[in-house]
Amino acid sequence: DTEVTQTPKHLVMGMTNKKSLKCEQHMGHRAMYWYKQKAKKPPELMFVYSYEKLSINESVPSRFSPECPNSSLLNLHLHALQPEDSALYLCASSQGGSGLKTQYFGPGTRLLVL
Amino acid sequence: AQSVTQLGSHVSVSEGALVLLRCNYSSSVPPYLFWYVQYPNQGLQLLLKYTSAATLVKGINGFEAEFKKSETSFHLTKPSAHMSDAAEYFCAVSGNDYKLSFGAGTTVTVRA
Repeated sequence: DTEVTQTPKHLVMGMTNKKSLKCEQHMGHRAMYWYKQKAKKPPELMFVYSYEKLSINESVPSRFSPECPNSSLLNLHLHALQPEDSALYLCASSQGGSGLKTQYFGPGTRLLVL
Repeated sequence: AQSVTQLGSHVSVSEGALVLLRCNYSSSVPPYLFWYVQYPNQGLQLLLKYTSAATLVKGINGFEAEFKKSETSFHLTKPSAHMSDAAEYFCAVSGNDYKLSFGAGTTVTVRA
């Protein structure tokens, strides 16, 4: 099974709201990723967790706060977002450790910031 | 650093015709190469991957790709397009650092 699940599917929030995106995988993967994708563009890497530790932060604004409570779950906490943060947010997972790995993506959360 | 270039941002084919999507890579080491497909309002689905085993890779939905080191290419083909193949296709290359470098994407439309 190569399934990554994400909730919610859609989210509308105001600029003063706090919300969270959730991602879950049960493939035993030890690396998890957050991507942001704007329309008609490829995904852009935001964060990577490896063995539940933040491994990569691609200079993402602090209004985005990732969290990895355990090896199966990944959250993205959102606070004081801007309209330009509206996008599709994708979660992915892969086997952990160094070396070349295959990433498997979830269906995404479509976020609209008003 | 690894990178890929997809030639052609939009490809239009007739139903039943050959689908050919072009991808060229740049890598200083043997690469892992991927093709992903994204249907409207969905996430990315892995079509196929090259991991230095066989140079001709077969994927899902009748797609295949051939790794050509001499041409630094990894083009995606399907012999006969179906209406359900209409989607966005991304070529990507993986490094040792967890990072996937994506091409700009190619939109495929299928004409009846």
